[in-house]
Amino acid sequence: GDSVTQMEGPVTLSEEAFLTINCTYTATGYPSLFWYVQYPGEGLQLLLKATKADDKGSNKGFEATYRKETTSFHLEKGSVQVSDSAVYFCAFYAGGTSYGKLTFGQGTILTVHP
Amino acid sequence: DGGITQSPKYLFRKEGQNVTLSCEQNLNHDAMYWYRQDPGQGLRLIYYSQIVNDFQKGDIAEGYSVSREKKESFPLTVTSAQKNPTAFYLCASSIASGRADEQFFGPGTRLTVL
Repeated sequence: GDSVTQMEGPVTLSEEAFLTINCTYTATGYPSLFWYVQYPGEGLQLLLKATKADDKGSNKGFEATYRKETTSFHLEKGSVQVSDSAVYFCAFYAGGTSYGKLTFGQGTILTVHP
Repeated sequence: DGGITQSPKYLFRKEGQNVTLSCEQNLNHDAMYWYRQDPGQGLRLIYYSQIVNDFQKGDIAEGYSVSREKKESFPLTVTSAQKNPTAFYLCASSIASGRADEQFFGPGTRLTVL
């Protein structure tokens, strides 16, 4: 069935380090892919998205490229900040009869130390 | 400012009691969703509604009920039949279902059964 597998956390980095959070998906067809971020005690916010193969989503220094051949959508940032500490969720929308339903990964906790 | 509000932020319930979580949006969105978040499991869809007076079960609807009498409102009732209701509940909305639109999330309600 449809699923998302994310890199297990928690991930702990020093400020200005390079970040990669791996995400792979299993879905039929050509899903749209999303990264959401959740700050402590809050709801989710859309970080970036890509709707077709080879698209690159980017926002606030974060990037992810839709790789259809490897069914992946890895999140990267060149230099993380303390304020990036949050939980990151990879998700996809499969289309068709999904009626807007998003399928989420389990989330990856990121902690950035000064 | 447009957005989604959920109330209350924290809710405590005794076993055997029904409880209703509020979700209101002023984004003029047609589609609304309820998700449940448990540690390490990501988000799972409980119910969704594509339009007023219509709603469908998601992946984990047992023990929950909803109504959609107004476009702005999508309350979730956690009934006594829900065997493990302690969780973080997130409401979301999007312009329409059946599209890869961004879902906007509320701040969530943390329900604890005593």
